[in-house]
Amino acid sequence: EAQVTQNPRYLITVTGKKLTVTCSQNMNHEYMSWYRQDPGLGLRQIYYSMNVEVTDKGDVPEGYKVSRKEKRNFPLILESPSPNQTSLYFCASSPRPGLAGGSEQFFGPGTRLTVL
Amino acid sequence: AQKITQTQPGMFVQEKEAVTLDCTYDTSDQSYGLFWYKQPSSGEMIFLIYQGSYDEQNATEGRYSLNFQKARKSANLVISASQLGDSAMYFCAMRAVTDSWGKLQFGAGTQVVVTP
Repeated sequence: EAQVTQNPRYLITVTGKKLTVTCSQNMNHEYMSWYRQDPGLGLRQIYYSMNVEVTDKGDVPEGYKVSRKEKRNFPLILESPSPNQTSLYFCASSPRPGLAGGSEQFFGPGTRLTVL
Repeated sequence: AQKITQTQPGMFVQEKEAVTLDCTYDTSDQSYGLFWYKQPSSGEMIFLIYQGSYDEQNATEGRYSLNFQKARKSANLVISASQLGDSAMYFCAMRAVTDSWGKLQFGAGTQVVVTP
C-alpha cells in the first residue's frame, strides 16, 4: 500500500531533550516536506526536500533540523525542544511536480508532540 | 512570497445544499498550482482537487469544483449536495515555480459543519 508513515504518533517530552520524528514513504517520491499545524494558523511548512541531500527552509524552520540521506526517509530533529514546539506535525511527499506544479502531496497520519 | 487567505473561519450548511468556501491568493508567479485539502476530525489530510494556473477550465472532482478566477486571484471550492460526512476543516493551498515547487503555502482553514 502506498503510504507515508510517521513515528511516533504521539510523544510527550520535556524541554531540552533531543528527539527525532521519523518519516518514510514507499512511493519513490522526490519531494518531501514537514509541516506543523496549530489552531488558527493552518499548516506551516518547516522544511522541504526536493531530492536526496537537497533540503531548504520553509516558513518556520527555527528550532528544527532535517536530513535527507535516502530518498524514502526524511526525519525531523528537534535538538532542544521547547514548549512552543508543542504542535501537530505532518510529513508529506509528492512526485516531482510537472509544469504547473500539479502533483498532490500525500500526507502522513501526523505526530502529536507535547513539550513540557 | 506566496500568501493564501481564507476569510471564513467556520460555517454551517444544511445537508443537500451547496456550499462555497472562499480562498484568495497572492503571488507574482505566472506558473502556480492551487489545491484544496479536507481534514476530518480524525486528523488525516485528504487531497480534494487541484487547479493549475494555466488551466482554462475549472477543475471538478465528483461533488467538488473549483471556481478559478485568475484575475481576481481567487480559487473558491464549491461542494455540491453537502453530506454529513463533509463536516471537516478545509484548507486551500498553493505552490509556485519560484521555489522550484518546493514550498506549499496553506491558508488558515475553514471549519464546515453540515447539519441534517
